[in-house]
Amino acid sequence: DVKVTQSSRYLVKRTGEKVFLECVQDMDHENMFWYRQDPGLGLRLIYFSYDVKMKEKGDIPEGYSVSREKKERFSLILESASTNQTSMYLCASRPTRAGGANEQFFGPGTRLTVL
Amino acid sequence: KNQVEQSPQSLIILEGKNCTLQCNYTVSPFSNLRWYKQDTGRGPVSLTIMTFSENTKSNGRYTATLDADTKQSSLHITASQLSDSASYICVVPFSGGYNKLIFGAGTRLAVHP
Repeated sequence: DVKVTQSSRYLVKRTGEKVFLECVQDMDHENMFWYRQDPGLGLRLIYFSYDVKMKEKGDIPEGYSVSREKKERFSLILESASTNQTSMYLCASRPTRAGGANEQFFGPGTRLTVL
Repeated sequence: KNQVEQSPQSLIILEGKNCTLQCNYTVSPFSNLRWYKQDTGRGPVSLTIMTFSENTKSNGRYTATLDADTKQSSLHITASQLSDSASYICVVPFSGGYNKLIFGAGTRLAVHP
């Protein structure tokens, strides 16, 4: 079974703090993703990585950065947390295979509250 | 504009009843459409995937349909159970790739005893 784990289920931070969200997958997937999920909106892609040290911006990268130093680990960083970053953050991973329709496997999510 | 729209936004049904959730998409080119189930406080889990050539696919009590001509998909749940209470999300890849997906906002289903 694919397992994607996230470092925290719930997190409360203060405005201006630096926040690290970590994601680990155990299936040797090349691709990893960070999304945020807000009520009434579909999941929105923040950043993704298709290889170690490689990253691409998603639809809403402003205010976030990422790090992928090892294949299994993908970190999301909020350099200076703001209240509008209060959200559910979901990490996902996906293997790269020729052809087919690859499924993304999601972690349980981190609910971040910025006060 | 590439979009995925789901209806209804929320739905309440009694245990044992059937229901149908709708998904309309305008993504082009189209390759496939996937339905995810997301339990409260958990990440989404794939239920089924529909490719361009498929019309109907079942996964237990879940049956998905796809009409590529009208760009519509539905998810039918038969004999609902309390454990079916969740959000159901329709997802279509953007530009034929799999690293950028377009997510619907989901339908929140509540099954009451």
